[in-house]
Amino acid sequence: QVQLVQSGAEVKKPGASVKVSCKASGYTFTSYDINWVRQATGQGLEWMGWMNPNSGNTGYAQKFQGRVTMTRNTSISTAYMELSSLRSEDTAVYYCARDTAVASSDYWGQGTLVTVSS
Amino acid sequence: QSALTQPASVSGSPGQSITISCTGTSSDVGGYNYVSWYQQHPGKAPKLMIYEVSNRPSGVPDRFSGSKSGNTASLTISGLQAEDEADYYCSSYTSSSTHVVFGGGTKLTVL
Repeated sequence: QVQLVQSGAEVKKPGASVKVSCKASGYTFTSYDINWVRQATGQGLEWMGWMNPNSGNTGYAQKFQGRVTMTRNTSISTAYMELSSLRSEDTAVYYCARDTAVASSDYWGQGTLVTVSS
Repeated sequence: QSALTQPASVSGSPGQSITISCTGTSSDVGGYNYVSWYQQHPGKAPKLMIYEVSNRPSGVPDRFSGSKSGNTASLTISGLQAEDEADYYCSSYTSSSTHVVFGGGTKLTVL
């Protein structure tokens, strides 16, 4: 069965960086794009960007340009999302999700809580 | 402020039907048939319910249906059940640099 398993919760200080991993199983990792979406507590979903695991091509939401980097390691079927220059407003649950169609994600990771606090 | 506009809340009684709207622009909802709907229960990851405006993934009950008219997409849930109580989000492809935009979410209460 398709699974996306993310790394555990993180606590970071303002100005630091965080790298969240997303390990895929149950399908061919390089056949589907991976999206990253975040959700602050009590708030809605916010799309951050996408990555093609086959080519490594990426596309980022303008809001995160310059601060986010999405990468992958195909040998271990794992995608990564790194967010730098963290601020308190970046405190949120970060999800990876597999694209099934254009702008549509059928499988989601369990989420990773990133807390930014001094 | 979210790019797509959804009502903050809707409610209905078991067995009834409800519709949640999702209004965008010609650059997103109105311009492409790439509208999706997600269901999210508290503390859980979103679950895809509808993709490409009206298609249901395998395993999603046919009580859930999607449609679109102009710049507004809609999710209809018929025969409401207690387990349908959740937050619902629409999303759309957009021609802007953002690529994907979400609605602000709608809390469905089953009375």
